[in-house]
Amino acid sequence: DQQVKQNSPSLSVQEGRISILNCDYTNSMFDYFLWYKKYPAEGPTFLISISSIKDKNEDGRFTVFLNKSAKHLSLHIVPSQPGDSAVYFCAASPNYGGATNKLIFGTGTLLAVQP
Amino acid sequence: DAGVTQSPTHLIKTRGQQVTLRCSPKSGHDTVSWYQQALGQGPQFIFQYYEEEERQRGNFPDRFSGHQFPNYSSELNVNALLLGDSALYLCASSKNVLNTGELFFGEGSRLTVL
Repeated sequence: DQQVKQNSPSLSVQEGRISILNCDYTNSMFDYFLWYKKYPAEGPTFLISISSIKDKNEDGRFTVFLNKSAKHLSLHIVPSQPGDSAVYFCAASPNYGGATNKLIFGTGTLLAVQP
Repeated sequence: DAGVTQSPTHLIKTRGQQVTLRCSPKSGHDTVSWYQQALGQGPQFIFQYYEEEERQRGNFPDRFSGHQFPNYSSELNVNALLLGDSALYLCASSKNVLNTGELFFGEGSRLTVL
């Protein structure tokens, strides 16, 4: 049972345009959401997060939107750059903070930014 | 400042054998989690160690076991290897008190079971 779903395995975008990566979840107990980026032969690196008390969080070119009623979140990258080409994982946690939280990851979306 | 380091980076085993993977957390971190990433999938939580104890466990059989040492480093052991255990094994660390799920991952140990 996939609790966190990324239905688009890949996305191709032109440099300078907006990239929108989507994620859906099924467990209403999730209250903290994160995006990780992964380059080949490297471990995932944290990108941006949002707690369920917010509907938007912005960090430079990256913005995450959360729609709790739809159990949907999205990551917007504006403007997209070739260096953004990577696999992006959406992840969810059932509690904010604490020593025992674990992350539930989606299957990832491969973003390719064309020069 | 060293990040999360894992060893070995690659290894090949045969079915039925046992394997031990090692992880040193990022400096200042005291909590270590292990994840399994199969090809084409996202990382799946195996277990988490804090204060040398297993604090939480994912849906993995008892063949998967671990340990955390007083210096916060950790080992993942897998017994009676199956072909399906072939995957990238990721170690992630965090500072317990400030942990908000923003884990720091190592590059992983890629295990191939033949």
